Amino acid sequence: QKEVEQNSGPLSVPEGAIASLNCTYSDRVSQSFFWYRQYSGKSPELIMSIYSNGDKEDGRFTAQLNKASQYVSLLIRDSQPSDSATYLCAVRGYSTLTFGKGTMLLVSP
Amino acid sequence: DTGVSQDPRHKITKRGQNVTFRCDPISEHNRLYWYRQTLGQGPEFLTYFQNEAQLEKSRLLSDRFSAERPKGSFSTLEIQRTEQGDSAMYLCASILTGGIDTGELFFGEGSRLTVL
Repeated sequence: QKEVEQNSGPLSVPEGAIASLNCTYSDRVSQSFFWYRQYSGKSPELIMSIYSNGDKEDGRFTAQLNKASQYVSLLIRDSQPSDSATYLCAVRGYSTLTFGKGTMLLVSP
Repeated sequence: DTGVSQDPRHKITKRGQNVTFRCDPISEHNRLYWYRQTLGQGPEFLTYFQNEAQLEKSRLLSDRFSAERPKGSFSTLEIQRTEQGDSAMYLCASILTGGIDTGELFFGEGSRLTVL
């Protein structure tokens, strides 16, 4: 049974701060990792994907992967109130994505 | 709108009734997924189709659930003899496999089921 673990939060940060979201996974053979953002009442949307150990940056978002520790993280720099949402970590097996429960992020003005 | 569309968006039914949800994926996408999401949880995989072939079903999918994708285009998910525990958001997602695979699933807005 593949498992993806996330702290459910909420994680509260002030506007302009760095938000750090973490995820661990159980399946060592997983090769593809994703962060989805889900606003309340909406469907998930992809914001970052990462496949290799290290950091991957895209605008204010940085994804970090450490396969040895089975750990994925997402940093959001200069957090904005519009970033307030649930962030879902997802890990791909052979053909399906397994999602964590998500971490709720609240960015206060 | 060329995204993934789902119908109906909301369904309220009484326990024991049958319900059917429809998903129209992005037209060129060959793979289609069904997920279920309850409050405070992430999406849980139910089943997926590669073209018209149903290739995998989750152990979560009881015998009361059936899904089809008859011509490799739209898909239906039917729940027979609904139970209150079936109340959830049913999400459909599609992806084009082969070539450059970004792994991005495109989700529809979901069909919310409430079983009374």
